[in-house]
Amino acid sequence: DQQVKQNSPSLSVQEGRISILNCDYTNSMFDYFLWYKKYPAEGPTFLISISSIKDKNEDGRFTVFLNKSAKHLSLHIVPSQPGDSAVYFCAGRLYNTDKLIFGTGTRLQVFP
Amino acid sequence: DSGVTQTPKHLITATGQRVTLRCSPRSGDLSVYWYQQSLDQGLQFLIQYYNGEERAKGNILERFSAQQFPDLHSELNLSSLELGDSALYFCASSVAPGVGGEKLFFGSGTQLSVL
Repeated sequence: DQQVKQNSPSLSVQEGRISILNCDYTNSMFDYFLWYKKYPAEGPTFLISISSIKDKNEDGRFTVFLNKSAKHLSLHIVPSQPGDSAVYFCAGRLYNTDKLIFGTGTRLQVFP
Repeated sequence: DSGVTQTPKHLITATGQRVTLRCSPRSGDLSVYWYQQSLDQGLQFLIQYYNGEERAKGNILERFSAQQFPDLHSELNLSSLELGDSALYFCASSVAPGVGGEKLFFGSGTQLSVL
């Protein structure tokens, strides 16, 4: 029973264009959603989060959108840069806990 | 550098053996988490400790155990190892539950290979 799903295992985008990474969830008991980025041989690093009561959060080139009715969130990276090439995990935090449920990740490749 | 230190980085062992993975959280962080990432899988939550006490348990096998010591470092013990236990094991830390607790800082992981 996968509560957080990233259905696209990989995404390839040209430098300067927009990258859109998608995530779906089945559990309504998440109070926060987070995106983590992971480079090879490193641990995941926190990128951006959004409270379940919001529908958008922006931080520089990164924007996360939350559509609660569709149980869907997306991460937009504009403009994409080669250094953004990494695996991106979305995660939901179970309400009133510190337990994060992660998706399986999407590998983003940004090419020149 | 996240400030979370995991040792060893790589571990190769045989089935039936027991290993210990070690984690030092970021300075000032009281909460420690263990996650397992198997091939093509997301990070699976195993267990969380806060200030020495077990706080939450996930899909942790009975053959696995963990503890957090008074100096806040944590160890994950894996025993009677099976081939399927081969995975990347991450430790993460956070300030405290409920206080920016959604932002975890991860170590670089221990790659366990069971042969």
